[in-house]
Amino acid sequence: GAVVSQHPSWVICKSGTSVKIECRSLDFQATTMFWYRQFPKQSLMLMATSNEGSKATYEQGVEKDKFLINHASLTLSTLTVTSAHPEDSSFYICSARAGDRVPGELFFGEGSRLTVL
Amino acid sequence: AQRVTQPEKLLSVFKGAPVELKCNYSYSGSPELFWYVQYSRQRLQLLLRHISRESIKGFTADLNKGETSFHLKKPFAQEEDSAMYYCALSGLGNEKLTFGTGTRLTIIP
Repeated sequence: GAVVSQHPSWVICKSGTSVKIECRSLDFQATTMFWYRQFPKQSLMLMATSNEGSKATYEQGVEKDKFLINHASLTLSTLTVTSAHPEDSSFYICSARAGDRVPGELFFGEGSRLTVL
Repeated sequence: AQRVTQPEKLLSVFKGAPVELKCNYSYSGSPELFWYVQYSRQRLQLLLRHISRESIKGFTADLNKGETSFHLKKPFAQEEDSAMYYCALSGLGNEKLTFGTGTRLTIIP
């Protein structure tokens, strides 16, 4: 199957700093990637849709100035958590759809756990 | 609006017993329904989708438009089935996937 890789898988930062998480599609091109947030023992909440070469589409209630998304190439999307605070601590997961694969199937990254002190 | 409901957060079943994980959805158009599974320490992966009507690892799910349900079933549970299961929905032509809250399935040896 298609492979999506996230980096870093685990990051700790101080309150007020910014953290960048990368999402790469390793063996396919992804014009669209999705960023999810998952709280402990809860479901995945879609944060935004990342579109290659254009602005991301954010879900209602997600601060676009807080969670900066950049999709500069067909294999890379980045999520930057700006001025992080402890309440931003969470598990962030990206996914992508391989255009030539089964329609509707999303391939997920392994997730990135952010802890803000 | 798209909405997926999984009423059971936790489900424990004895090995060899039948399994049914419930999923109900709300969507005004034609839905595409999926089941995703997350095994311990692994990433989320697709288990099956209603369009393909196939059986994966012994699991099946039938889309019931009248009851707006897409329950996941397996006749005989195996220990390796222990995992977190998420039901998900997207509209035809709509890439956005909405997940249910998930059901943690534990198979008792």
